[in-house]
Amino acid sequence: AQSVTQLGSHVSVSEGALVLLRCNYSSSVPPYLFWYVQYPNQGLQLLLKYTSAATLVKGINGFEAEFKKSETSFHLTKPSAHMSDAAEYFCAVSDSDFGNEKLTFGTGTRLTIIP
Amino acid sequence: DAGVTQSPTHLIKTRGQHVTLRCSPISGHKSVSWYQQVLGQGPQFIFQYYEKEERGRGNFPDRFSARQFPNYSSELNVNALLLGDSALYLCASSLTGTVGWEQYFGPGTRLTVT
Repeated sequence: AQSVTQLGSHVSVSEGALVLLRCNYSSSVPPYLFWYVQYPNQGLQLLLKYTSAATLVKGINGFEAEFKKSETSFHLTKPSAHMSDAAEYFCAVSDSDFGNEKLTFGTGTRLTIIP
Repeated sequence: DAGVTQSPTHLIKTRGQHVTLRCSPISGHKSVSWYQQVLGQGPQFIFQYYEKEERGRGNFPDRFSARQFPNYSSELNVNALLLGDSALYLCASSLTGTVGWEQYFGPGTRLTVT
C-alpha cells in the first residue's frame, strides 16, 4: 500500500530563512506526488505536483520540490520564508496504476514563521 | 468562475442521527471525491465518483454512502452517527478523475457529533 511520512509535525523558521518540509513516500509503482497547503478554516490548495516529468518541480508562491527516487523523498523548499507562508502543509501520494485518483495524505506539518 | 462549494459550512448532530453533506464541483468537472479530516490529521479518502459511477472507495464502514447527480453535484450520507465521525469533510473536484490531474478542494463542512 502506498503511504507518505512527513517528518516533523511542527516546523518554525525565521522570516527570510529557508523553509524545508520533509516528505518520504512508499509506493510499489511509480508514484504521483503532491504538496498541498491548508490555511486555517479553509480547504486544501495545490502547491505543486510531480507526475514523472522533471524531477525538480516548481510551484506557486515560490515553493519547489525535488523528487529523489533513490531516497524515496519529495521534500518541499522555499528559499525565503514570508509571514504569509504560515499554514499546515500536507504531502500526498497517488498510485499511478489505480483506476481512481485517490490521494493518500501524510499527517501534515504546521509551519510557523517567526518575525 | 466559482470554485468547489460545500453546504452546510457547519453542522451539529447527535449520536445515532443521519447527516447529508452536499458538494457542487467546479463547472465542467465530472469527478468528485470526498475526504474526512479528523482534527490534527491528514485527509482520508472516502469515495470518488466519476460520471455518476463510483470509481473508488476508502476504508470506511457501510454507514458512509455517496452519490453523484446528473449535474455532477454530489451528496455524502452518514448514518448512525458516532462521536468519531466528528471531522472536517472535504469535497474535491477534478476535470477527468484521472491520476495526475489537479483536484480542487472546497472549504469543507465541519461536522460535530455530540
